[in-house]
Amino acid sequence: GEDVEQSLFLSVREGDSSVINCTYTDSSSTYLYWYKQEPGAGLQLLTYIFSNMDMKQDQRLTVLLNKKDKHLSLRIADTQTGDSAIYFCAERPDTDKLIFGTGTRLQVFP
Amino acid sequence: ETGVTQTPRHLVMGMTNKKSLKCEQHLGHNAMYWYKQSAKKPLELMFVYNFKEQTENNSVPSRFSPECPNSSHLFLHLHTLQPEDSALYLCASSPGGTSGAVRDTQYFGPGTRLTVL
Repeated sequence: GEDVEQSLFLSVREGDSSVINCTYTDSSSTYLYWYKQEPGAGLQLLTYIFSNMDMKQDQRLTVLLNKKDKHLSLRIADTQTGDSAIYFCAERPDTDKLIFGTGTRLQVFP
Repeated sequence: ETGVTQTPRHLVMGMTNKKSLKCEQHLGHNAMYWYKQSAKKPLELMFVYNFKEQTENNSVPSRFSPECPNSSHLFLHLHTLQPEDSALYLCASSPGGTSGAVRDTQYFGPGTRLTVL
């Protein structure tokens, strides 16, 4: 079946790196996404990675993909209080379909 | 207005009411989506429209009725809802058409927080 799993909470100190992990099940997913949701807001696309890539870097964000283990991670360097939000991993097994995880709530404390 | 907008942002309704949620996208996209976000559950895809045609109905109860009059507007008509339907309803759009990360990347609106009493 289709299932995307994430840990529910992550707490980090401001200035440290955050690593949010995700496992997915559908090996045919060609694209994997990270979305961010701030309180009271919709989902904001952060980045995506094509399945034939191992890594993608975009400013403070680094996405690592281990296709063999179906493991995706998002690393946020120099985490700031404004990064506090819920982060969703999503896989796309079909053209019109995104399968989301339950989200990881990132809390950044001073 | 830019991006994807949704109105109203908050809605409280009784179980016998009829109401509608509205979504509008200003991105020139051809595909639009309704999602339901409940506490402690993954986002649930409800409906997909591609070029105004419904391409997915994810076993959604008939008390939710979507309407897509054109590629820029999507409605969700609500009637005889249950308290368990209380959730954040998110609309999204994507370029649509053929497969590809850029064409199918979904952009979300801020959501409508629905409370059913």
